Amino acid sequence: AQSVAQPEDQVNVAEGNPLTVKCTYSVSGNPYLFWYVQYPNRGLQFLLKYITGDNLVKGSYGFEAEFNKSQTSFHLKKPSALVSDSALYFCAVRGLVGNFNKFYFGSGTKLNVKP
Amino acid sequence: KAGVTQTPRYLIKTRGQQVTLSCSPISGHRSVSWYQQTPGQGLQFLFEYFSETQRNKGNFPGRFSGRQFSNSRSEMNVSTLELGDSALYLCASSTGQGAYGYTFGSGTRLTVV
Repeated sequence: AQSVAQPEDQVNVAEGNPLTVKCTYSVSGNPYLFWYVQYPNRGLQFLLKYITGDNLVKGSYGFEAEFNKSQTSFHLKKPSALVSDSALYFCAVRGLVGNFNKFYFGSGTKLNVKP
Repeated sequence: KAGVTQTPRYLIKTRGQQVTLSCSPISGHRSVSWYQQTPGQGLQFLFEYFSETQRNKGNFPGRFSGRQFSNSRSEMNVSTLELGDSALYLCASSTGQGAYGYTFGSGTRLTVV
């Protein structure tokens, strides 16, 4: 079965500290991996994606993610958190289902950055 | 270029009524996908349309339907509304081919009373 897991419902971090939001996946074939952020009453905004190549992907707002094929993980990271990073973060994977691609989203992780 | 436009932004309907939501994708994008987001269930896939054809479908009852027009604009319809249909409905636009990702609209907040 194809799926995405975000094991933490909530992550709390102090401003200025590094942050990690975890994501693991299970998908057939080579995965396309994505991170999205959602602010209250808004749609999801694209942060970054991994398609192929360098395992460390850099994205918007200083975020980066590391693709680890052996651990089937795609954790989101930022060296120094800002209060404005507080939001809901979704990991997604695009995989092949039959002849078509389908997106699978994790359940979301709420990031709280405290001043 | 213009983003994904969803209308209306907010909607209040009475149980038993029907509702139609609209999504205009990014120009040139041929795929529109719809998701329902609720606090308890997270993001649930409804369906995907590509070039006016439904290409994928989630596990929702037949009360949920959609269509896509020749200009790629899409509508989703929910008939016989139930209280549990209250949610944020998100539309995602993509090329639908190659190494594509989604661009989301801001959503339509539907409240059923």
